[in-house]
Amino acid sequence: DAKTTQPTSMDCAEGRAANLPCNHSTISGNEYVYWYRQIHSQGPQYIIHGLKNNETNEMASLIITEDRKSSTLILPHATLRDTAVYYCIVRVHNTNAGKSTFGDGTTLTVKP
Amino acid sequence: DGGITQSPKYLFRKEGQNVTLSCEQNLNHDAMYWYRQDPGQGLRLIYYSQIVNDFQKGDIAEGYSVSREKKESFPLTVTSAQKNPTAFYLCASSPWTGVDNQPQHFGDGTRLSIL
Repeated sequence: DAKTTQPTSMDCAEGRAANLPCNHSTISGNEYVYWYRQIHSQGPQYIIHGLKNNETNEMASLIITEDRKSSTLILPHATLRDTAVYYCIVRVHNTNAGKSTFGDGTTLTVKP
Repeated sequence: DGGITQSPKYLFRKEGQNVTLSCEQNLNHDAMYWYRQDPGQGLRLIYYSQIVNDFQKGDIAEGYSVSREKKESFPLTVTSAQKNPTAFYLCASSPWTGVDNQPQHFGDGTRLSIL
């Protein structure tokens, strides 16, 4: 599975959009990009995933560059409850039951 | 509600003792996973299982053992061979449809401490 690089921490003002970047320059053609978040002392929560196209759901939007070497998770209107560690992972399609490698993630702090 | 249940939430162990962490899911998922998380760090894969009676080692399997006798259960035993067992342990599951782009669902973890 490809390795990902994320900033260690980011701040965002409440009500503003939070844009969390992720680099995955060694991603291969069959690897999906997944985003999870972990609120302190809880299990990670799935947010969104994509392969090539941009994706949107009720929680967030995922923008993947055309060369797929990087992506951005967008929380359109961040709230205090969005404060968490956000993990970007890439996972090989159709192999090994989808085991995922989680890096250290980005700690997002939403401030009033 | 469907989900993953890990028990207990907190667990204490004396040095030299084995301890078993429970993970049960009622999501009818085929695949299950165990991760370890140390303070301020990401998750590292210990073991995973795609089907009943089959499992594979992850990145840090030494000192751990698992079993998968039932689809809904995937207990993890931390043995006395694990020299630094104090950590947060997370169990996850996902469907296995042959088209492997399904997200993992996580339990709320068990925090293990050495007395």
